Amino acid sequence: DIQMTQSPSSLSASVGDRVTITCQASQDIGNYLTWYQQKPGKAPKVLIYHGSNLEIGVPSRFSGSGSGTDFTFTISSLQPEDIATYYCQQYDNVPLTFGGGTKVEIK
Amino acid sequence: QVQLVQSGAEVKKPGSSVKVSCKTSGGTFSSYTISWVRQAPGQGLKWMGRIIPVLDITNYAQKFQGRLTITADKSTSTAYMELTRLTSEDTAVYYCARLAEPIKWGQGTLVTVSS
Repeated sequence: DIQMTQSPSSLSASVGDRVTITCQASQDIGNYLTWYQQKPGKAPKVLIYHGSNLEIGVPSRFSGSGSGTDFTFTISSLQPEDIATYYCQQYDNVPLTFGGGTKVEIK
Repeated sequence: QVQLVQSGAEVKKPGSSVKVSCKTSGGTFSSYTISWVRQAPGQGLKWMGRIIPVLDITNYAQKFQGRLTITADKSTSTAYMELTRLTSEDTAVYYCARLAEPIKWGQGTLVTVSS
């Protein structure tokens, strides 16, 4: 199974801060990586697919980069509505696997 | 616009089974791959398995082998997830999802296992 190591598990930042989350795959997954945002009681919402493609309708302050085993997700300017848990997920190989999540809070 | 709509919440006794449906619309069902993902209270996302309807192929996570059956009815564009021998640890929200572009998730179905 491909392990997805996501860090940090939580972070606290101020409005306007740049926030970065990393995800490391245990083997090469190409660009087959999705980043999700999940708010309490809601289904995950796709933000970035195929490593760096911004989903239609998602604000441009969200971005993704990386390929192979190392991936980065960035919020360029944190907004109050970005409070959520973020997950990476690989879809290169079954079983599909998720990172452990990063809970983002406002300082 | 692809949409996935799941059946409603369930309360089950330990040892029983649950079957959750996922009706799709807005696309060609047979070309989808439908996955099932669960999320226990306060926990992360766990992939359970998937079905490729056009090929009638299923893949299951090791953790659920022997207890999980995923099926698809192409005539109604509906996928099903059945989990047997339920315990309290199966209490979770269960999601169906298309996890490849275009990525879409159902709204989730809460399954509560309690005596």
